[in-house]
Amino acid sequence: GAVVSQHPSWVICKSGTSVKIECRSLDFQATTMFWYRQFPKQSLMLMATSNEGSKATYEQGVEKDKFLINHASLTLSTLTVTSAHPEDSSFYICSARPDRATGELFFGEGSRLTVL
Amino acid sequence: DAKTTQPNSMESNEEEPVHLPCNHSTISGTDYIHWYRQLPSQGPEYVIHGLTSNVNNRMASLAIAEDRKSSTLILHRATLRDAAVYYCILIKGWNKLVFGAGTILRVKS
Repeated sequence: GAVVSQHPSWVICKSGTSVKIECRSLDFQATTMFWYRQFPKQSLMLMATSNEGSKATYEQGVEKDKFLINHASLTLSTLTVTSAHPEDSSFYICSARPDRATGELFFGEGSRLTVL
Repeated sequence: DAKTTQPNSMESNEEEPVHLPCNHSTISGTDYIHWYRQLPSQGPEYVIHGLTSNVNNRMASLAIAEDRKSSTLILHRATLRDAAVYYCILIKGWNKLVFGAGTILRVKS
């Protein structure tokens, strides 16, 4: 079946540095991808919708300058957490759906970010 | 997107069927009913989805009420590997998926 892959699966960084997380759709094209974050024992919170070739659409309360999203190709979206701080430590998850499909959404394995 | 209401948690015995309910009284005619589950420290996994008719797949069955204001995810024989958070979500077409709190399913051996 369709697969979405994230990299890295976990990362530890120092406060003030930037971290990039990649999300790839391995066997289908995805014009649209979604980024979520999840804190311990909480549900997934949608951060933004990533659109290939155009600007991402951010949910209310999500800082676009803090969480940079680039969707440069039909199979790759990246999320960069800029100037990371301990409160940015979270589980980041991407998802994608094959173009022109209205069925299931495929999720990546998640990326756990720890900011020291 | 319309909201869904699920119990916070449920418990089941291994090898027994599990019925996970979901209320969505404000569902519209174009809303699909999706179910996903999430194991600890993993991304969510698709379980099943439907529009009006009941649906079956290798993982589960989805029973949709005639008025579509509620649905039930049925795991026919729960195993320990089915212990997860189950999310019932309504979605229109290609729209984004917004997660609610979900139901924590515990399976006892």
